[in-house]
Amino acid sequence: DVKVTQSSRYLVKRTGEKVFLECVQDMDHENMFWYRQDPGLGLRLIYFSYDVKMKEKGDIPEGYSVSREKKERFSLILESASTNQTSMYLCASSPSTDYGYTFGSGTRLTVV
Amino acid sequence: KNEVEQSPQNLTAQEEEFITINCSYSVGISALHWLQQHPGGGIVSLFMLSSGKKKHGRLIATINIQEKHSSLHITASHPRDSAVYICAFGSQGNLIFGKGTKLSVKP
Repeated sequence: DVKVTQSSRYLVKRTGEKVFLECVQDMDHENMFWYRQDPGLGLRLIYFSYDVKMKEKGDIPEGYSVSREKKERFSLILESASTNQTSMYLCASSPSTDYGYTFGSGTRLTVV
Repeated sequence: KNEVEQSPQNLTAQEEEFITINCSYSVGISALHWLQQHPGGGIVSLFMLSSGKKKHGRLIATINIQEKHSSLHITASHPRDSAVYICAFGSQGNLIFGKGTKLSVKP
């Protein structure tokens, strides 16, 4: 089975800190995604990547950046964390949009 | 503009009830996904379908491409089915999600 691993389940950071959220998948998938999920808003796409060193902005990229130096790893970076970035962050991967997606367990980030 | 509409938003059922969750979308798609999210956050892919019907255990997913509508059915529901169910479709390399249906099944 494909496994998508997010490095932390819960994270508490201070306003202004630089935050790294790591995501690793073990099945050589081309596509990787970062979403945030907020009550009443559902899942929203932050960034996605369809290949190493390639990235595309999603619906809400402001305040975030990403890095994909290796195929299996997709990192989400909060350059200067703010309280409105308190959310559940979910990583996903897929071989293509015509195939199923596999999600990580999520990271619940609280910015204080 | 919501491209994916789910109904109901919240659903409470008694154990053993037959449950239906609906999903309507506004654009042509190649495949629709049903996802399940348990408390705690992890999301599991239940189905991906482009036509007809798929069944897995007590779960059945149907899709009508012409009417742009899909349904997820749960037969003989159980409290462990309590979760948020999300439909989504692929668009330009990523998924467009509905806001989810929160299902609570009472014993």
